[in-house]
Amino acid sequence: KAGVTQTPRYLIKTRGQQVTLSCSPISGHRSVSWYQQTPGQGLQFLFEYFSETQRNKGNFPGRFSGRQFSNSRSEMNVSTLELGDSALYLCASTEGQGSYNEQFFGPGTRLTVL
Amino acid sequence: AQSVTQLGSHVSVSEGALVLLRCNYSSSVPPYLFWYVQYPNQGLQLLLKYTSAATLVKGINGFEAEFKKSETSFHLTKPSAHMSDAAEYFCAVSVSGSARQLTFGSGTQLTVLP
Repeated sequence: KAGVTQTPRYLIKTRGQQVTLSCSPISGHRSVSWYQQTPGQGLQFLFEYFSETQRNKGNFPGRFSGRQFSNSRSEMNVSTLELGDSALYLCASTEGQGSYNEQFFGPGTRLTVL
Repeated sequence: AQSVTQLGSHVSVSEGALVLLRCNYSSSVPPYLFWYVQYPNQGLQLLLKYTSAATLVKGINGFEAEFKKSETSFHLTKPSAHMSDAAEYFCAVSVSGSARQLTFGSGTQLTVLP
C-alpha cells in the first residue's frame, strides 16, 4: 500500500495570505489527524477527522480549519497567515477508531511565511 | 489532561554503546504510549507502542521500552547503538476516548559517535 502523501512538500507564502494543504491517507484509513511542528512549540495537535466529521480539535485559533472528503482525503486551510505559522505540517492516518491504533505519518508540508 | 516529559533534548552515545532515552508521562487514566523516530526532512515513524498488553514492548530496529506505572515512565532502550540510529525521537501519549490525538514530548536528538 502507498503511504500517506502530502502536497505540496514545500510552500512559501507572505503574511496575510491563505494556504491550503492536502493529505491523502493510506487506502482504507478513515481517520486523518493534523499536527504542527515548530522548533519552539514542538509537535502540537491541530485536529482530527473521521468519516468527514471533525472529532477533536487542538488549541489553535479559528484561522486554522480543515475538512475531509468522502474518499477520506483531507485538507487544512490557514487564513491570514502570520510569521509564526511557519512550520512543518504533518498529516497522519489511522485505520481504526481506537486511541491505541498506530498513526502513520506523511512526510509533511514545510510552510514558510515571509 | 495528559502530558509527556522527555529528559535530555540531546543525547550522545558511542557506536555500540547502550542507548537510553527517557520519557515520563502524566495521565489521570491508563495511557497508551508510543515512541516515534523522525529522520531529517521526513515524517514520523512508529518504533513501538504500549497498549497495556505487556509492560516490556519490543519494537523495530532493536529498540524496546518498559512501561513502569509506579514511576510513570516509558524509557526507550537499545543495547547497541548504530550510526543509522542518529535521529530525533519522540515519546507520545494518548488516552482512551481522545480519538486519535497524540500529545508529544519535546523530543530527544540522538547523536551516535564513531
